[in-house]
Amino acid sequence: DQQVKQNSPSLSVQEGRISILNCDYTNSMFDYFLWYKKYPAEGPTFLISISSIKDKNEDGRFTVFLNKSAKHLSLHIVPSQPGDSAVYFCAASEWGNKLVFGAGTILRVKS
Amino acid sequence: DGGITQSPKYLFRKEGQNVTLSCEQNLNHDAMYWYRQDPGQGLRLIYYSQIVNDFQKGDIAEGYSVSREKKESFPLTVTSAQKNPTAFYLCASSIMGEGETQYFGPGTRLLVL
Repeated sequence: DQQVKQNSPSLSVQEGRISILNCDYTNSMFDYFLWYKKYPAEGPTFLISISSIKDKNEDGRFTVFLNKSAKHLSLHIVPSQPGDSAVYFCAASEWGNKLVFGAGTILRVKS
Repeated sequence: DGGITQSPKYLFRKEGQNVTLSCEQNLNHDAMYWYRQDPGQGLRLIYYSQIVNDFQKGDIAEGYSVSREKKESFPLTVTSAQKNPTAFYLCASSIMGEGETQYFGPGTRLLVL
């Protein structure tokens, strides 16, 4: 039973354009959401998070949007850079409980 | 220079052998976690610990054991009962009571000879 789903295994984007990574969840009790970036053979790096009381959170080139009614969140990267090429995981939790991760989306930014 | 360290970076296991993966953090975090990543899959939780001398099973605990004798350390033992141990193992830690932003170590790749 996948509670967090990233339905696109991979995404290819031109440098300078917007990258949009999507994530859907099924558990309506989730109230904290995170995005991690992971390079091969390294640990994931925390990117950005959002709590359920917000619908948008920005940090530089990264913006996360949360649509609670649709149980959907997305990560926007603008502008995309070749160094952004990595695997991106979304994760969710009920406050104080363990994280549940999606399967990841491979982002390739072409120069 | 705070962070999470994992050692070794690569580990080889023979059939029937137990091996232990090290995880140390100097972030003063209360909670620590072990995940397993297989190719094309997300992170699956093996064990987690929220305080010293206490830990709970995650989703795939069979064939693994842990201890939490010190706040800074959370070693994972892959026992001979784990029939498919080849994977990338990630340790993480977080501050309790501040959501669940977990910070990860660099990982250990375990291979079976």
